[in-house]
Amino acid sequence: DIQMTQSPSSLSASVGDRVTITCRTSQTISTYLNWYQQRPGKAPKLLISATSTLQSGVPSRFSGSGSGTDFTLTISSLQPEDFATYYCQQSYSTPLFTFGPGTKVDIK
Amino acid sequence: QGQLVQSGAEVKKPGASVKVSCTASGYSFSSYGITWVRQAPGQGLEWMGWVSPFNGRTDYAQKVQGRVTMTTDTSTSTAYMELRSLTSDDTAVYYCASITGGAFDKWGQGTTVTVSS
Repeated sequence: DIQMTQSPSSLSASVGDRVTITCRTSQTISTYLNWYQQRPGKAPKLLISATSTLQSGVPSRFSGSGSGTDFTLTISSLQPEDFATYYCQQSYSTPLFTFGPGTKVDIK
Repeated sequence: QGQLVQSGAEVKKPGASVKVSCTASGYSFSSYGITWVRQAPGQGLEWMGWVSPFNGRTDYAQKVQGRVTMTTDTSTSTAYMELRSLTSDDTAVYYCASITGGAFDKWGQGTTVTVSS
């Protein structure tokens, strides 16, 4: 099974800050990596697929990069609505999928 | 662009079974797999498995293998997830989602399942 880690597990940031979240996998997955945002009490929302493809309607301040085992989600200028938990998910081993443990972004 | 609507909250006793439904609209149901993901209180997302509405193929996570069955009814564009032999560890919000290119692009609103004696 492909294991996934995320760092940090949580962070505190201010509006306007640049935020970077890292996702690492236990084996190489090429670019088969997706990112989700989950606000409290809501269903997750797909932000980025295939490492760097921004979904329709997702603000351009979100971006993704990486390949192999190391991946990054960056929010260039944090907005109030971005305070949420972010999860990475690998689809390399389709149809068996795995989520990372999540990174909670809250207000400093 | 389509949506998924799930059935309502359930309260079950330990040892019982639960069956959650997920009804799709606004897109071609048979063309995209349906996956099920659960989230225990205060915890992260846990992938449970998926089902193909096209041919009924399923794959399940090892943790629930043997206790879960995922099915679809293409005549009503509905997917089902049945979990048996429930314990308190199965208390969670259960989500269905459609799969496009390995990403879960549409999500249901979630169904809370509470297992309590």
